[in-house]
Amino acid sequence: EMQLVESGGGLVQPGGSLRLSCAASGFTFSTYWMSWVRQAPGKGLEWVANMNQDGSEKYYVGSVKGRFTISRDNAENSLYLQMNSLRAEDTAVYYCARDWRQHLALDYWGQGTLVTVSS
Amino acid sequence: DIQMTQFPSSLSASVGDRVTITCRASQDISTYLNWFQHKLGKAPKLLIYGASSLQSGVPSRFSGSGSGTDFSLTISSLQPDDFATYYCQQSYGTPWTFGQGTKLEI
Repeated sequence: EMQLVESGGGLVQPGGSLRLSCAASGFTFSTYWMSWVRQAPGKGLEWVANMNQDGSEKYYVGSVKGRFTISRDNAENSLYLQMNSLRAEDTAVYYCARDWRQHLALDYWGQGTLVTVSS
Repeated sequence: DIQMTQFPSSLSASVGDRVTITCRASQDISTYLNWFQHKLGKAPKLLIYGASSLQSGVPSRFSGSGSGTDFSLTISSLQPDDFATYYCQQSYGTPWTFGQGTKLEI
């Protein structure tokens, strides 16, 4: 069974850092693009970043460029999101999702991990 | 960035009703349009990709149509499990962007 399990969320002060992880199982992780998507409280979904299989291509939404870094470890079947210089507006549930590149769609998602940026 | 506008933002309906949700892109996105269902506390679920292709395992009462800038998601006969928030999303250009969502309520 395919699974994506996020972890690493929590409470962090403005200006702080946090690293999210996403453990993948049930599919050949190394052959898929992967994405991060977030949902702020009471708001809709927002795509954050994605990357290709070997890390040579990475894309970000403008609001996180220069502060967030997406990465992966194919040997560990894991996706990461390093978040620096966090702001209150980064408060959200963060989801990792498998990027079905053939059809440019996010076909499987995790349950999400909550990040709260507050003093 | 490509802006996605959904309407209505909320919709009240009953079991058995036929409902349609509309999504409009700020520029031509061909058929690079996906639809998701999201329930509180759960993982979002892909329903339709490529504007009109039904994702595996999704009931056939869900259908999508459109191309260019105007798209729609139709549920032919609402079931109790369908009450959720629905999002359109374009994958024509980076950053990928979502509509603001349509909350479907009983």
